[in-house]
Order: sequence, then structure tokens, then C-alpha cells
Amino acid sequence: DTEVTQTPKHLVMGMTNKKSLKCEQHMGHRAMYWYKQKAKKPPELMFVYSYEKLSINESVPSRFSPECPNSSLLNLHLHALQPEDSALYLCASSQVDLGMFSEQYFGPGTRLTVT
Amino acid sequence: KNEVEQSPQNLTAQEGEFITINCSYSVGISALHWLQQHPGGGIVSLFMLSSGKKKHGRLIATINIQEKHSSLHITASHPRDSAVYICAVRYRETSGSRLTFGEGTQLTVNP
Repeated sequence: DTEVTQTPKHLVMGMTNKKSLKCEQHMGHRAMYWYKQKAKKPPELMFVYSYEKLSINESVPSRFSPECPNSSLLNLHLHALQPEDSALYLCASSQVDLGMFSEQYFGPGTRLTVT
Repeated sequence: KNEVEQSPQNLTAQEGEFITINCSYSVGISALHWLQQHPGGGIVSLFMLSSGKKKHGRLIATINIQEKHSSLHITASHPRDSAVYICAVRYRETSGSRLTFGEGTQLTVNP
């Protein structure tokens, strides 16, 4: 199984809503990533978890709250978002061994629209 | 500043043509990735290279470490190859988990 799954595929939410994005992989990868991608731009790294611990937070606003409940799951909790947060949110995972990170496998993304 | 530059930005080809997309980077890397993204979202990892050349079907990726340059070639292109191709590098001096992305090349293959 070389798949990273993400749910939901599409999400429309108001600025006062609370919602969560979910990501799952069963490849035994111990690093998981959240990216944000605006139209016609490359992905921007938001968070990295390594062995279920947050290792990188790219100065992301606190209205985005990541969570890694176990080695297969990664969540992104959303609260009080702004319309400019509308984007494609991509999850990825990779193997990590002795601090060396391997090829990243990406999920299909969640298309988020904030109204 | 560590940058990744891709060329061309946009490329239109006729079915069957040989296609080359180029990627240049600025300092030493531990790995270079070629990624493919179709309209509507998900990213597929095509290759990860640290030296030499790799081939998968009609796709070939090469890297020249001395010149800090990589190319992605598509032989006998097909309309289903139409996508954005993104070069991403892992710089040695930054965290091993962090990728620096190029701006992407939009490829359109016409039948």
C-alpha cells in the first residue's frame, strides 16, 4: 500500500466554523507533512511531524492546529479561518531513518474554500 | 537564498514530441525530486535523484551535480502527460525534511 489518503476531498466552511482535515498512511512512514498550495504556485510547507512529534512549524497562524494522534494519522484542525486561507491542503509522508528523510508520498489534497 | 529555477514556465507540444524540462539549483543538495501534478490536485512523485540518471517508462531524469542542474525528459509525449511538473530539492544545509520547490512547468500536449 503506497497510498496517502485525505478526507474530505472538498470542504466549504464559514469563518466561524471549526472543521478538521484528516490524512492517513499505512506505509510505516514516521514523518508526515502538511502543505498549503495556492493556485498556480508550488506547495508551501506548514508543519512536519517526525515520530509523532512536531519538528517544524513554519510560523503558521494558530487558527491552524496540527495533531498527530499516532504514526498513521495526521489531522489539521481549523478554526476562525479567513477567506485567504482558501487553498489546496496537501498531506505527505516519508520514511525517516537516523535523521535521513526519504522520498515524500503525497495525498490527493483537500480543496478548502472559506466563505 | 537557496532557490530552485525551472524552465520553461509553459510548454506546448504535439503528441509524439520529445520534451525536456530543466531545473537548476544554487548550492549542494542531498536529493532532487521530480513531481507531477494534474489539474485538480494530487502530486505524484516521479523520481528522486542524488546522482546519475533514472528511467521509468517514457520518463527519464538526469542530474549533473557539478553543474547543479537536472533535466526531465518525456519521450513520445501523449496528451495524458499534460500536467504541471515540479522540481524540488533537499538542500544539505537545511533540515532533511524540508523541500525547496521550483515554480513548476505547465506542460500541454496536443493530440
